[in-house]
Amino acid sequence: AQSVAQPEDQVNVAEGNPLTVKCTYSVSGNPYLFWYVQYPNRGLQFLLKYITGDNLVKGSYGFEAEFNKSQTSFHLKKPSALVSDSALYFCAVRDTDKLIFGTGTRLQVFP
Amino acid sequence: NAGVTQTPKFQVLKTGQSMTLQCAQDMNHNSMYWYRQDPGMGLRLIYYSASEGTTDKGEVPNGYNVSRLNKREFSLRLESAAPSQTSVYFCASSGSSTGASGKNIQYFGAGTRLSVL
Repeated sequence: AQSVAQPEDQVNVAEGNPLTVKCTYSVSGNPYLFWYVQYPNRGLQFLLKYITGDNLVKGSYGFEAEFNKSQTSFHLKKPSALVSDSALYFCAVRDTDKLIFGTGTRLQVFP
Repeated sequence: NAGVTQTPKFQVLKTGQSMTLQCAQDMNHNSMYWYRQDPGMGLRLIYYSASEGTTDKGEVPNGYNVSRLNKREFSLRLESAAPSQTSVYFCASSGSSTGASGKNIQYFGAGTRLSVL
């Protein structure tokens, strides 16, 4: 079965510093991977996806993710964090015609 | 363009009561999904509908039923609510599951916060 794991419940970072939110995956076949963000009292919003091609995927709000096949990872990154990036982040993997989500990582960016 | 609309936004039920959560999308998407979100558990799929006229169980279907009323609407029914069903419920939709570029990008509603006392 397809699955993703987010090993950190929370990540704290100072504004202006780079941020990384970790995700590892377990799939049979080629992985289709996604990142979503959830702001307070809102639904999830799509950030970016990896289907095939370049290992560095660029998405919304200046976020990017690096696909690493040897480490089975798909970490979300941003060069310079903003306070407004504080939210809950979910990694997901496609499983036939549905998505399997990780448990989420809360990102706190401090001024 | 409203996207995915869920009603109601909040609901409080007593144990044993029934209710239906409504979801509608205006993006002409084939697939629709119902999730529940609980602290520390992430999103768990309850039921989904890959296309109009079909429904399938997800990870946590017990205690729920669904109806894909038409291509736009997908409702979730709790026949006899239990305190364990206290959660935030999200509906989502996505375009065709074929085709690489748009595969499974899901668009979410704002959620329904349900408390069962």
